[in-house]
Amino acid sequence: SQQGEEDPQALSIQEGENATMNCSYKTSINNLQWYRQNSGRGLVHLILIRSNEREKHSGRLRVTLDTSKKSSSLLITASRAADTASYFCATDSRSNDYKLSFGAGTTVTVRA
Amino acid sequence: DTGVSQNPRHKITKRGQNVTFRCDPISEHNRLYWYRQTLGQGPEFLTYFQNEAQLEKSRLLSDRFSAERPKGSFSTLEIQRTEQGDSAMYLCASSLDVTAYEQYFGPGTRLTVT
Repeated sequence: SQQGEEDPQALSIQEGENATMNCSYKTSINNLQWYRQNSGRGLVHLILIRSNEREKHSGRLRVTLDTSKKSSSLLITASRAADTASYFCATDSRSNDYKLSFGAGTTVTVRA
Repeated sequence: DTGVSQNPRHKITKRGQNVTFRCDPISEHNRLYWYRQTLGQGPEFLTYFQNEAQLEKSRLLSDRFSAERPKGSFSTLEIQRTEQGDSAMYLCASSLDVTAYEQYFGPGTRLTVT
C-alpha cells in the first residue's frame, strides 16, 4: 500500500513562477525523499530530509518537514520548462528496513 | 555509463507467455529493489535483495512472479503466464547499503500484455 499522498495531483504554472506541492503520510518515518520522473522514464533522486530536520535546500529546491502533521512540502523556485515532470515523495522507516513507500505523485507542467 | 540499466526497455507479449527482465545495478551497490508502476501511480514495492539474498516479497507478487540475484550482481524478474493486469512499468533501483537511503533508479521496462 502507498503511504504518501501528494497534493495537488496536477499543477500548471508559467515559467519563472514557483511551484509548491505537498505530501502527507500516515506512519512514523526516518526519512522523506523527493524524486522526479520525466514522462515514461526512471526516477531521479532530488533531495532527502531526515525526520529530525525541518528544512533543507538544494539549488532551487526547498523541502520542509513537519513530523507533527506528518507532512512535507517541496518548493521549486523560478521554474523552468525542464522542470516539467511528475514529482513523488517517498518515505522510509527503520522498522520497515528503509524500504521506500511512494505517493501517487504531482504532475507539474511549466508553460513557456 | 555507471548508472542502473534495465533490459529490455519495452516488451510486448501475448497473454499466457513468460517474460524475463534484467537489471544491472551500480556495481558497488549491495541493495537491489524491484518496483511496479502503473499509469498515474507511484512505484509500488515488489521485492528486494541484500547481495544475493532476497529479503522480502510483496503480497503484490503472486506465485507467477520470481526474482533472482545470482552472485549479488545483476537481477532478473520473471513473470510466468502473463495476464493483462501485469501491464505496467517495472522499475529497478539500487542503493549502496541499508544505511544509504537514496535509491538510484534504472529507466524501467515497460511491459504490455495483449
